[in-house]
Amino acid sequence: AQSVSQHNHHVILSEAASLELGCNYSYGGTVNLFWYVQYPGQHLQLLLKYFSGDPLVKGIKGFEAEFIKSKFSFNLRKPSVQWSDTAEYFCAGASGTYKYIFGTGTRLKVLA
Amino acid sequence: DAGVTQSPTHLIKTRGQQVTLRCSPKSGHDTVSWYQQALGQGPQFIFQYYEEEERQRGNFPDRFSGHQFPNYSSELNVNALLLGDSALYLCASSFFFLRNRRHSETQYFGPGTRLLVL
Repeated sequence: AQSVSQHNHHVILSEAASLELGCNYSYGGTVNLFWYVQYPGQHLQLLLKYFSGDPLVKGIKGFEAEFIKSKFSFNLRKPSVQWSDTAEYFCAGASGTYKYIFGTGTRLKVLA
Repeated sequence: DAGVTQSPTHLIKTRGQQVTLRCSPKSGHDTVSWYQQALGQGPQFIFQYYEEEERQRGNFPDRFSGHQFPNYSSELNVNALLLGDSALYLCASSFFFLRNRRHSETQYFGPGTRLLVL
């Protein structure tokens, strides 16, 4: 069955620390992958997306993600986090269908 | 340019009642998807509407139904409410197109309607 998993449920970092959030998917064939962020009290916003081409995708606010097909991974990275990055992050995938399958989310807390 | 809007923002119902949630898509979008997000979980796909028809459905019972209007706005109806239907209901809009014969769309989400069933 198609699925998306996020293994880090809660992450706490200090400002300026580097961030990597894991996302693994189980899909056959081609896959579209996404990272969304939900800041406190706000709605889901698209951070970045991968459809095809360059496996290193750059998004907004300094985030990037790398699609590694051999590892079925699409990890989110940021070299230096800020207090304002405190939010919940969701990885999602879609393959051959119109529905997105979401992971359970990772709550990131950045300490000032 | 308004993004995706949803109404109402909050709703309280009792078991057995029926509820209707509404969504207006982002300007230029023709497709609406609905998701249910329970506390502490990621959004779960309910169904998607395109050209006023249900195009795909997730694992939700027939108590969940929807509609899309000619102006692309959409409604989600839930009948015979259960306590377990308490959740945040998200609407996402997108524009459907094919790129290299693959459908490529990016879904943009609204703020959601928080439903509490007592």
